[in-house]
Amino acid sequence: GENVEQHPSTLSVQEGDSAVIKCTYSDSASNYFPWYKQELGKRPQLIIDIRSNVGEKKDQRIAVTLNKTAKHFSLHITETQPEDSAVYFCAAMDWNNDMRFGAGTRLTVKP
Amino acid sequence: ETGVTQSPTHLIKTRGQQVTLRCSSQSGHNTVSWYQQALGQGPQFIFQYYREEENGRGNFPPRFSGLQFPNYSSELNVNALELDDSALYLCASSPKQGLNTEAFFGQGTRLTVV
Repeated sequence: GENVEQHPSTLSVQEGDSAVIKCTYSDSASNYFPWYKQELGKRPQLIIDIRSNVGEKKDQRIAVTLNKTAKHFSLHITETQPEDSAVYFCAAMDWNNDMRFGAGTRLTVKP
Repeated sequence: ETGVTQSPTHLIKTRGQQVTLRCSSQSGHNTVSWYQQALGQGPQFIFQYYREEENGRGNFPPRFSGLQFPNYSSELNVNALELDDSALYLCASSPKQGLNTEAFFGQGTRLTVV
């Protein structure tokens, strides 16, 4: 089955700096890659997603890149703000809609 | 708010007991997936229901079972509870099956097994 690895597990940046979180997946049949933000005690919220026919997608300060050959994808947050502090999860979904999550990255943005 | 609701929000059960968790999907969504999230970890896929039938299952034993009803709401049942079943149980609904559409999560049910 699919195995998703996520790095780093914790990330601390200064407000205004960029943050990058990387994930790798094992199943070449995976074709949908969402990113979720989870604040303490709250539900995961979808922040951006990318499908396998696209290499990059951007939404304001957030962007995701996908390298299908290398089986890795990354989340980029620019001009970070304290409210970006949360746990971020990547996920990969295969043709059977089986979605596997990474272990999460705790992002702290210091004011 | 996403419109996905779960009940109850918190639950305490004794080892060996059985538990039923409930999820109402967002209006227009016919696919519901269940996840187990242990503290400090990512959600683990339990199974998915589409049009009242199980459509994919993760690495969970048969004592984890589910149902989906004609209105697309869903139940997760866990028999013979173990201490390690203590976790946040999340359901997520999506509008279609097979087209890799985004999943919207409920607020979760925190289950504690003592």
